[in-house]
Amino acid sequence: QVQLQESGPGLVKPSEILSLTCTVSDGSISSYYWSWIRQPAGKGLEWIGRIYISGSSNYNPSLKSRVTMSLDTSRSQFSLKLTSVTAADTAVYYCAREGSFSVFQDWGQGTLVTVSS
Amino acid sequence: SSELTQDPAVSVALGQTVRITCQGDSLRSYYASWYQQKPGQAPVVVIYGKNNRPSGIPDRFSGSSSGDTASLTITGAQADDEADYYCNSRDSSNTHYVAFGGGTKLTVL
Repeated sequence: QVQLQESGPGLVKPSEILSLTCTVSDGSISSYYWSWIRQPAGKGLEWIGRIYISGSSNYNPSLKSRVTMSLDTSRSQFSLKLTSVTAADTAVYYCAREGSFSVFQDWGQGTLVTVSS
Repeated sequence: SSELTQDPAVSVALGQTVRITCQGDSLRSYYASWYQQKPGQAPVVVIYGKNNRPSGIPDRFSGSSSGDTASLTITGAQADDEADYYCNSRDSSNTHYVAFGGGTKLTVL
């Protein structure tokens, strides 16, 4: 089973850029869709977007203007950048491997990102 | 964007059967997947596709669908099943997008 590990700053200042990286353990990064999902404390899951090896990406319309995802096959990593963050972006951020029919079979452990000055 | 609607909370007596539902237009065209999330942990998929269980998921978990509603059934609920449950599917307004339900808190009494 693939292991996913998120990494990045746990604290980001308002108006700055949130940057996270997910490392994929088994080299399967060229074969699947890769997504970011977030969860504010005590709330539900929100899909942020996905990226594929071809470079194609899809973003949640509510976040599209602020989101960029990228993928680095040489490092088996994919990344998330979210610009102009506010306190509303404070959440646990998960990376996940997405299979057919948008089934998220594998998840990282999640990383808490707090937006605060 | 598409919405998937779940009851916020459901309870079940130990050993009894409980059904958790997820309603949305996209479910007329796409299967729902179901995730179990315990406090402080990442979600785990328990049902996907028509009624598929990943390896390691007990067979007391099953899925079904009718019209715009998908259901997760736990037959003989155990204390360990107490958790939040989320459904997800493709977004009916744009199939490139993903929608999650708001989640159902399951309490096992």
